[in-house]
Amino acid sequence: AQSVTQLDSQVPVFEEAPVELRCNYSSSVSVYLFWYVQYPNQGLQLLLKYLSGSTLVKGINGFEAEFNKSQTSFHLRKPSVHISDTAEYFCAVSSGGGADGLTFGKGTHLIIQP
Amino acid sequence: TAGITQAPTSQILAAGRSMTLRCTQDMRHNAMYWYRQDLGLGLRLIHYSNTAGTTGKGEVPDGYSVSRANTDDFPLTLASAVPSQTSVYFCASSSPGSYGYTFGSGTRLTVV
Repeated sequence: AQSVTQLDSQVPVFEEAPVELRCNYSSSVSVYLFWYVQYPNQGLQLLLKYLSGSTLVKGINGFEAEFNKSQTSFHLRKPSVHISDTAEYFCAVSSGGGADGLTFGKGTHLIIQP
Repeated sequence: TAGITQAPTSQILAAGRSMTLRCTQDMRHNAMYWYRQDLGLGLRLIHYSNTAGTTGKGEVPDGYSVSRANTDDFPLTLASAVPSQTSVYFCASSSPGSYGYTFGSGTRLTVV
């Protein structure tokens, strides 16, 4: 079985400040890791994913994440946030090539303060 | 534009009534999924299908059924709706080995 823990349900950050959204996972097998963003009243959009190779993954909108196998973490970072980054962010894990779908964390609400 | 179409966008349903949420994809993906999203709980898998003709139970399957008669369609049926099924429902698909998941825009269901 696999699971995902997003340690913060809500993260307030001032505009232009850096942010880190934390994600830890557990799995007995190799995993593939994802971050999705959900803007208000919209569906899910893929920010980035880690499948293999370099542990630092760059995604859209200036976000990046680092896979740390020893700490079973996949934290999401952005060096300078904007008001438009206000959204819900979900970390997710998959153990296979899509057969059993994604297991999601409970989400982190990123609140950008002017 | 290729992707997933979900219908309806939103629905208010009386408790005890039945309803089918529709999901159609045009990417020829083998695998399809239904998730429900609830505040503070994230997205939880209801049912999935690895290929046409097969289905499986996810984390929260009770009260829901699915069928997969062909590759493109994956309807979700609530036989007798209850208020706890009030949620936003997302359909998704993937092609095994691609590690890419495509999500629909969601159906907001309110059971009263």
